[in-house]
Amino acid sequence: DAKTTQPNSMESNEEEPVHLPCNHSTISGTDYIHWYRQLPSQGPEYVIHGLTSNVNNRMASLAIAEDRKSSTLILHRATLRDAAVYYCTRDKLVFGAGTILRVKS
Amino acid sequence: NAGVTQTPKFQVLKTGQSMTLQCAQDMNHEYMSWYRQDPGMGLRLIHYSVGAGITDQGEVPNGYNVSRSTTEDFPLRLLSAAPSQTSVYFCASSTRSANRPEAFFGQGTRLTVV
Repeated sequence: DAKTTQPNSMESNEEEPVHLPCNHSTISGTDYIHWYRQLPSQGPEYVIHGLTSNVNNRMASLAIAEDRKSSTLILHRATLRDAAVYYCTRDKLVFGAGTILRVKS
Repeated sequence: NAGVTQTPKFQVLKTGQSMTLQCAQDMNHEYMSWYRQDPGMGLRLIHYSVGAGITDQGEVPNGYNVSRSTTEDFPLRLLSAAPSQTSVYFCASSTRSANRPEAFFGQGTRLTVV
């Protein structure tokens, strides 16, 4: 099963960090973990990916558990423009329902 | 560089009609895939392709056909549209490379079947 498990929704205050969790307990040793986000009325866009080590880019950080059964997408300072649906996926194909992130001003 | 282009952006069909949703990419990506997204729901995989001449079924393939005769194009065919196929359809493409795994999505086709 290539599905991942994420909370349905989360809420954050503007300018505060947000930690979005993902469970992928059946992940294989060679599967990358990918994160995408979908802004309202748009197609999904790539955020970040990783295999074993924690990763940083201009959009976010990805923290991967040592056993690789879970990961956390970290938005360091949430803005209103970060309000979106965030998807965690193991294989770039199966996306699941994702987490709706609401950001309050 | 246009990326992934989907046409049309909007379409209204009558029940029983057929149509083809077009998807084209100009990045020479091996992988292409089709998704549907119902209101308030996540993406569900319909069909995908790992290269020209190779296609496979996803989570919800019934009622849809695909073919991949070229690397660039991956059309999705609805043979006999049903109201249950009212949805937003997204096409995506990506490389096979593990070092560049990001998928690129089109802007979607909003389909209404009446």
